[in-house]
Amino acid sequence: IAGITQAPTSQILAAGRRMTLRCTQDMRHNAMYWYRQDLGLGLRLIHYSNTAGTTGKGEVPDGYSVSRANTDDFPLTLASAVPSQTSVYFCASSESNTGELFFGEGSRLTVL
Amino acid sequence: GQNIDQPTEMTATEGAIVQINCTYQTSGFNGLFWYQQHAGEAPTFLSYNVLDGLEEKGRFSSFLSRSKGYSYLLLKELQMKDSASYLCAVREGNYQLIWGAGTKLIIKP
Repeated sequence: IAGITQAPTSQILAAGRRMTLRCTQDMRHNAMYWYRQDLGLGLRLIHYSNTAGTTGKGEVPDGYSVSRANTDDFPLTLASAVPSQTSVYFCASSESNTGELFFGEGSRLTVL
Repeated sequence: GQNIDQPTEMTATEGAIVQINCTYQTSGFNGLFWYQQHAGEAPTFLSYNVLDGLEEKGRFSSFLSRSKGYSYLLLKELQMKDSASYLCAVREGNYQLIWGAGTKLIIKP
């Protein structure tokens, strides 16, 4: 089934540890995004990529980094996790930066 | 500044009609989206409005007034499976999406 795959689905992590959330899409979409979703807040953009080889900062980029080596993969790395990064993380893609977004199933991350 | 307002929670009865409002203030406008999100799941696309007026898609309709910075999502013939959060998002002039916090819709039998 075509779509976006995120891994892991859920993870508990000690503060200070490094963590990479994986995201792969098979729709050949140009644009990809990482959002975090916290209770009572709207989805907040962490980083985005309009096309392979380029990335940009979103609304809340601090403490996170991304790479876009190819069209399909867009990993999100937390270099040194902190408790405030406890959240549900969604990866999304769209055909262009004007199209609708398709979301992965989310990665629930708890930092203790 | 950027702001999107939606009611936090609404309750409606199975079989009835409900209207979920969204007001926005953003830097430019390149379209408004509505997404549905069931608890513990990913958001899924419902509708997209870029011009003023009503877009109808089955039991769901979405309306936009750009001059008023206002949209609504209308759900008819409510079913229990419509219990979910409904997210309003505006694409700004720089093509970034700004999301509302979502409206949790509770359907009662």
